[in-house]
Amino acid sequence: AQSVSQHNHHVILSEAASLELGCNYSYGGTVNLFWYVQYPGQHLQLLLKYFSGDPLVKGIKGFEAEFIKSKFSFNLRKPSVQWSDTAEYFCAVMGGGYNKLIFGAGTRLAVHP
Amino acid sequence: DVKVTQSSRYLVKRTGEKVFLECVQDMDHENMFWYRQDPGLGLRLIYFSYDVKMKEKGDIPEGYSVSREKKERFSLILESASTNQTSMYLCASSSSSGANYEQYFGPGTRLTVT
Repeated sequence: AQSVSQHNHHVILSEAASLELGCNYSYGGTVNLFWYVQYPGQHLQLLLKYFSGDPLVKGIKGFEAEFIKSKFSFNLRKPSVQWSDTAEYFCAVMGGGYNKLIFGAGTRLAVHP
Repeated sequence: DVKVTQSSRYLVKRTGEKVFLECVQDMDHENMFWYRQDPGLGLRLIYFSYDVKMKEKGDIPEGYSVSREKKERFSLILESASTNQTSMYLCASSSSSGANYEQYFGPGTRLTVT
């Protein structure tokens, strides 16, 4: 069965620290990968996505993610976080037809000023 | 601007009640989805629909049903609410055409069953 694993459930950082959130997936076919973000009190929104081509994907707000096929990973990175990055981050893989998404458990990021 | 709306942000119901959660999208999307979001479990797919009157079970359909009579509207029904259905419910939609597979989410309905 397809699954997505996010390694950290809670991450606490100070402003300007670098961020890397881990995501591993298990899926045998062609993968489309996503990172979604949910800011406090807001709806889930797309941060970035990978379909094909350059494995280093850039998203909104300075985020990027690298698809490493050999490691089944799609880790999210940001060189310098801000307080406004405090949110919950979800990794997802598309699979099983009809554009269905399989989500990881999420990572809660708290950034302290 | 893309928009998915849900009928209620907060809902409190009693055990055994029939509950309707409504979702409307204005993007003419073919696919619509219902998820529940629980801490530490992420989002889990309850049901989805790829066309009017068409529905498919997701990963956790037990205790739920859905209805899609019009393309823009997708309803989630809890036939007899139970306390273990207390959760945040998220609706999403996506297009089947082109290369944009992004799912667009509504604001969510936080349901409490007492």
